[in-house]
Amino acid sequence: GAGVSQTPSNKVTEKGKYVELRCDPISGHTALYWYRQSLGQGPEFLIYFQGTGAADDSGLPNDRFFAVRPEGSVSTLKIQRTERGDSAVYLCASSRQEAGELFFGEGSRLTVL
Amino acid sequence: GDSVTQMEGPVTLSEEAFLTINCTYTATGYPSLFWYVQYPGEGLQLLLKATKADDKGSNKGFEATYRKETTSFHLEKGSVQVSDSAVYFCALITMDSSYKLIFGSGTRLLVRP
Repeated sequence: GAGVSQTPSNKVTEKGKYVELRCDPISGHTALYWYRQSLGQGPEFLIYFQGTGAADDSGLPNDRFFAVRPEGSVSTLKIQRTERGDSAVYLCASSRQEAGELFFGEGSRLTVL
Repeated sequence: GDSVTQMEGPVTLSEEAFLTINCTYTATGYPSLFWYVQYPGEGLQLLLKATKADDKGSNKGFEATYRKETTSFHLEKGSVQVSDSAVYFCALITMDSSYKLIFGSGTRLLVRP
């Protein structure tokens, strides 16, 4: 497709389980970002990839969160031992340049019971 | 730290009314400023931007002027339509981390026919 694609759109899991969220960016976009949006809040930065490498992962809340982008295209955000506080919408975005002009997916809504 | 403050919503207007959504920022140096919009069921999308003081960003009838003296970037539209109903996010990036968008908490706009 033409836009950023995120799967699943909805994920319900139990506390302590492992979750993977996938992002397929716009073709040709070298920069990829993950943000997290809690209810009633703006998106908060998690991690930024330039190509295959994580250029800045300072927004990941703790070591239960990890993201990869092995071939410089699709990225996966991985959350281990999920907690109820991880419930949020996880947004992926991509861009050609780093100047704030991001193209966002519709997000993956994670609910941890 | 760097931050963005937006007026709380929801903002409810009748069609053809004048819209203002206030946004102020705190940042070191000279940030670039953005408005993003999230329509129901869609991903965030860039509405307009301004990269230096006194710049005016405009798109789809919306305008915002980068005011350095008041550290503001208020969004305005002269005549809103029902289709403008959405959540609007003010955001900034700084020269120190030009890839990291910092968002406000969003303002929901509801336009009634």
